Amino acid sequence: DVKVTQSSRYLVKRTGEKVFLECVQDMDHENMFWYRQDPGLGLRLIYFSYDVKMKEKGDIPEGYSVSREKKERFSLILESASTNQTSMYLCASSQQGMPQHFGDGTRLSIL
Amino acid sequence: AQRVTQPEKLLSVFKGAPVELKCNYSYSGSPELFWYVQYSRQRLQLLLRHISRESIKGFTADLNKGETSFHLKKPFAQEEDSAMYYCALSPSSNTGKLIFGQGTTLQVKP
Repeated sequence: DVKVTQSSRYLVKRTGEKVFLECVQDMDHENMFWYRQDPGLGLRLIYFSYDVKMKEKGDIPEGYSVSREKKERFSLILESASTNQTSMYLCASSQQGMPQHFGDGTRLSIL
Repeated sequence: AQRVTQPEKLLSVFKGAPVELKCNYSYSGSPELFWYVQYSRQRLQLLLRHISRESIKGFTADLNKGETSFHLKKPFAQEEDSAMYYCALSPSSNTGKLIFGQGTTLQVKP
């Protein structure tokens, strides 16, 4: 069974901090994704990666960056956290042409 | 523009009643469509995809290209079907990128 693991279920940070969200998958998937999930807005894609060191902007990349140094790990970075980045963050991975598998999510609060 | 629209934020039905969760899409090519479900305190998981033409947990969905819809249906709702449902479109199978709708909360009352 595919396992996508996000490092934290809950995280509280302060405005202006640099925040790292980590995601690891154990199925050698090429594709990895970061979304944020907000009520009434559904899931919105922040960034995705289809290979090591490759990244592409999604629909809402502003204020975020990503890193993929190893195939199994995809990190989301909030360069300078702001209160409007308080949200649920979901990581997903997939094999080419196959559906995405999701992690449990990280609920991030920026105070 | 590529877009997925789920017009209902909340759908509330009684146990045993039929359910239809609406999904409309806007896409110029041949889309691949999915339904994902998130039960309370669980991760988002795939419910079904249109190319499989399967029935999962009694749910079915038919792609109607003429009406650009992919509605999710179940003839008799169960309380355990209560969850958040997302319709999603894949514009390219190479990257696996998905465009999600806003989600519909299904509430099945006893």
